Parts: sequence; C-alpha cells; structure tokens
Amino acid sequence: EVQLVESGGGLVKPGGSLRLSCAASGFTFSSYSMNWVRQAPGKGLEWVSSISSSSSYIYYADSVKGRFTISRDNAKNSLYLQMNSLRAEDTAVYYCARDLSGQVDYWGQGTLVIVSS
Amino acid sequence: QTVVTQEPSLTVSPGGTVTLTCASSTGAVTTGYYASWLQQKPGQAPRALIYATSDRHSWTPARFSGSLLGGNAALTLSDVQPEDEADYYCLVFHGGVVVFGGGTKLTVL
Repeated sequence: EVQLVESGGGLVKPGGSLRLSCAASGFTFSSYSMNWVRQAPGKGLEWVSSISSSSSYIYYADSVKGRFTISRDNAKNSLYLQMNSLRAEDTAVYYCARDLSGQVDYWGQGTLVIVSS
Repeated sequence: QTVVTQEPSLTVSPGGTVTLTCASSTGAVTTGYYASWLQQKPGQAPRALIYATSDRHSWTPARFSGSLLGGNAALTLSDVQPEDEADYYCLVFHGGVVVFGGGTKLTVL
C-alpha cells in the first residue's frame, strides 16, 4: 500500500525556519518525482516545489524561491522541505504528492505550518 | 506566469451531468499540459481523479471523465451522486512548473 506521511509542521515565528519531512512507503521511491503542495486556511491548492527522481531537476514556485529548499534521500525513502525566512503567508497545510511523468496520484494527509508571533 | 482559471462554483442536481473547465492564460490547453483533476472534501487531503487529460486512476469511478473542450481541459461528471459534492481542482504542467487552478466548489442540490 502506497503511503506518504508528512511530519515536522508546527508553530514558528516570522523569520524562523522549519524542516518538513515526507516518509514514503509501499512503492519504489527512487523511481518517482515528488512534489510539495500547500493549502492556506480556507484557500485553494498552491504548488510549492518539485524534485525529480534522482534530484537532477528541481523547481520552485516564485513565492518560495530563495527561501525554501527541496531535497530527497532515496536511501531513506524520504522527501524534505527546508523552509527559511518564514512569513505569515506561508501558513498552510503542506502536502507531499507522488508524481510519475505528469501523473500525480498519491497524496499524504498533510502537516500544518503556522507562522505567527 | 501562467494563471489557470476554473469556475468558482457550480450547482448540479443528483443524477444530472455537469462539466467543469480549466483554462490557461497562455492559450489553449493541450495534451502536453498533462492536465489533471483532483477532488477534495472538507478536512481531507486531495484525491487524484484524472491524469494526462483523460486517464482515470484505478479508483476513479467511470462517471468522471476528462477531456479537452474548446481549448480548455474539462472534467465531466455524469449521473452525479450526493457524495460528489466537493471542491475540484485542475492542475497543469507548464515548463517544469505545476500550476493549480483556483478550484470549483461543486454543490449537489
């Protein structure tokens, strides 16, 4: 069974940092691209970042470029999102999602990040 | 920067048919955009329904179908059920970047 489990969310002050993790199981993690997607309270989905299976290709939304860093450890079946210089507008549920050549299929349940003083 | 536009809300009667659309600010949506559709119910994570414009996932009911319609990606729900009431999002791949539409709130009434 494919499972994606996010962790690492919490309350952080503006300007602070947080590292999210996504633990993958039930599939060959190293064969898939992965995405981070977020959803602010009461708002729609916003793509944050994606990373190819071997980390050769990495993309970011303009809203997080220069502040967030996506990475993965295929040996540990894990995806990460390092978030620095956090702002109030980064408050959201963060989801990881699996992607195979444009087929985004499985999603985790999300982890909540709140940026507030 | 690509903007993807969806109807903010639609209402359909049980048993009816409704089509949701997904338009790109850069022009016609083609198969190269790999348009996908997601369903999200309150308090739940998104669930993938359609990928690559018209392919269903193994868990997607046959009453959900994807297509290209008049330059837009489209999701058609036939024989709508009460449990289809949800938010629906399209997403497209454009130059390595993923762009989501703003979502359509579908009410079954």
